Amino acid sequence: DIQMTQSPSSLSASVGDRVTITCRASQGIRNDLGWYQQKPGKAPKRLIYAASSLQSGVPSRFSGSGSGTEFTLTISSLQPEDFATYYCLQHNSYPLTFGQGTKVEIK
Amino acid sequence: EVQLVESGGGLVQPGRSLRLSCAASGFTFDDYAMHWVRQAPGKGLEWVSGISWNSGSIGYADSVKGRFTISRDNAKNSLYLQMNSLRAEDTALYYCAKDTKLSGGGDFDYWGQGTLVTVSS
Repeated sequence: DIQMTQSPSSLSASVGDRVTITCRASQGIRNDLGWYQQKPGKAPKRLIYAASSLQSGVPSRFSGSGSGTEFTLTISSLQPEDFATYYCLQHNSYPLTFGQGTKVEIK
Repeated sequence: EVQLVESGGGLVQPGRSLRLSCAASGFTFDDYAMHWVRQAPGKGLEWVSGISWNSGSIGYADSVKGRFTISRDNAKNSLYLQMNSLRAEDTALYYCAKDTKLSGGGDFDYWGQGTLVTVSS
């Protein structure tokens, strides 16, 4: 099974900060990775697909990069509505696996 | 507009069974694989199971293998999860999610709002 190690598990940041979240796969997954945002009481929402493609309607301050085993989600300038929990998902092979999540909180 | 509406959750005793359903609309259901994902209270997301468009490819998380069965009825635009031998650790909000590909191997572009399963005596 492919393990996804996501870091950090939480972070505190201010509006306007640049935020970076990392997912590391235990083996190569090409670019078969998505990033999701989840707010309390809501279903997850896709932000990034194929590691670096921006989902339609998602603000351009969100970006993804990486391939193989190392992946990054970057928020270039954190906005109030971005405070949420973020997850990566590898869909290269079954069983699919999520990262543990990163909770982004207000500093 | 894509809609995924889960139902069938509730309170069930350990060892009993429950069947979840997901009604899909707004897209051609049999053009896509589908999945179940769960989230225990206060915890992260856990993929449970996935099924290809024609039910020819199915996968399960190790935690549910042998106890849960995923199925679909393309004529009814519906996805199902039969859950047997339920345990307290199966307590979670269960989401239905749409794959971006026919046979699976894509990620999830649409999610339902979830149905809550509580396993307790």
